[in-house]
Amino acid sequence: DIVMTQSPDSLAVSLGERATINCKSSQSVLYSSNNKSYLGWYQQKPGQPPKLLIYWASTRESGVPDRFSGSGSGADFTLTISGLQAEDVAVYYCQQYYSAPFSFGQGTKLEIK
Amino acid sequence: EVQLLESGGGLVQPGGSLRLSCAASGFTVSTYAMSWVRQAPGKGLEWVSVISDGDGDIFYSDSVKGRFTISRDNSKNTLYVQMNSLRAEDTAVYYCAKGTSGSRYSGLNHWGQGTLVTVSS
Repeated sequence: DIVMTQSPDSLAVSLGERATINCKSSQSVLYSSNNKSYLGWYQQKPGQPPKLLIYWASTRESGVPDRFSGSGSGADFTLTISGLQAEDVAVYYCQQYYSAPFSFGQGTKLEIK
Repeated sequence: EVQLLESGGGLVQPGGSLRLSCAASGFTVSTYAMSWVRQAPGKGLEWVSVISDGDGDIFYSDSVKGRFTISRDNSKNTLYVQMNSLRAEDTAVYYCAKGTSGSRYSGLNHWGQGTLVTVSS
């Protein structure tokens, strides 16, 4: 089974600054035949279900603000939030959908400094 | 508009059974991969199961394999999970989620609000 590890577990960033969350998979989630990394990022606000932000590691879901961006390939990935806004306070999760079971990272709690 | 509405949660004794439903609207469940994901109180997300489109390849997490059964009723446009031999550690909010495509290899772009399952005597 693939283990997803996020870092840090929590971080506090000032409004307008950049937040960076990392995600590492225990094995590559890159499918060589299509050169896609099977990795998604989700945002979960208190009392709400998760919301898909990014899929294929770097493709922004429709309606997601462009301050959210995903990067990385293989086994190392990053979610970047440029110009943090108050409504971005949430827990962020990465998920691999390369190989079942389609595991999530443990989550990163983002707060305002 | 895509909507997912879970139901069927509640309090059940250890060893008991429960069936959760997820009524979908705005799309056809048989043409997308559909998943169940759970979240224990105060904890992170745990992937539970997926059924892909069409003939429906099915996969489970090790923690529920042999106890949970995912299925769908195309005529009712509804996803289900039958949960047997429930344990205290199955206590969680259960979400159904729609894949971005029919393949099980897809992100989850629509989620229901979840239904709480509590396993306790």
